[in-house]
Amino acid sequence: EDKVVQSPLSLVVHEGDTVTLNCSYEVTNFRSLLWYKQEKKAPTFLFMLTSSGIEKKSGRLSSILDKKELFSILNITATQTGDSAVYLCAVEEGTYKYIFGTGTRLKVLA
Amino acid sequence: SAVISQKPSRDICQRGTSLTIQCQVDSQVTMMFWYRQQPGQSLTLIATANQGSEATYESGFVIDKFPISRPNLTFSTLTVSNMSPEDSSIYLCSGKRGGSEKLFFGSGTQLSVL
Repeated sequence: EDKVVQSPLSLVVHEGDTVTLNCSYEVTNFRSLLWYKQEKKAPTFLFMLTSSGIEKKSGRLSSILDKKELFSILNITATQTGDSAVYLCAVEEGTYKYIFGTGTRLKVLA
Repeated sequence: SAVISQKPSRDICQRGTSLTIQCQVDSQVTMMFWYRQQPGQSLTLIATANQGSEATYESGFVIDKFPISRPNLTFSTLTVSNMSPEDSSIYLCSGKRGGSEKLFFGSGTQLSVL
């Protein structure tokens, strides 16, 4: 059965800390892995990864994919209270089928 | 990237009634999908909205309960029919322009059924 597992389920840190969120997957026909930030209702897109070993970076956020070990990490450096959210990992399996993980709930304390 | 306007943003409904959620995309998209996110859970795909034809439903979801329309490449509706408290969820529409494009989401509808 195809599945996406995220860890940890929740995390509480202080402003300025660095966090690493994990996403492992088992899918039959991998096409891409996506990260989203969900603050209220709508997930907002962060990264899409298709190739191993190529880091994608946007400000304090970065992500990398390892297709051999079947996982991805999302790093957030110098965290801010505005980073508090649920971070979702999704894997595109085959054509147009997305499998979502349960998310990591991050809370950043001032 | 494209923007999806979704409405209503939230609603509180009585058991046994129906609610229709609308999504309007600001540009043509190839694929549109409807997801449900129950409290504390991840996203579950309800169906793929097919332009000009019947939607493709995932296991556990049926057309009588969740009728979907997609009359053109920029608009879709999802109706939650004969609602019960178990239907209380966030409902999200999403779109994708092409095979190598990202999946993006509407603003979501928070539904509470009393």
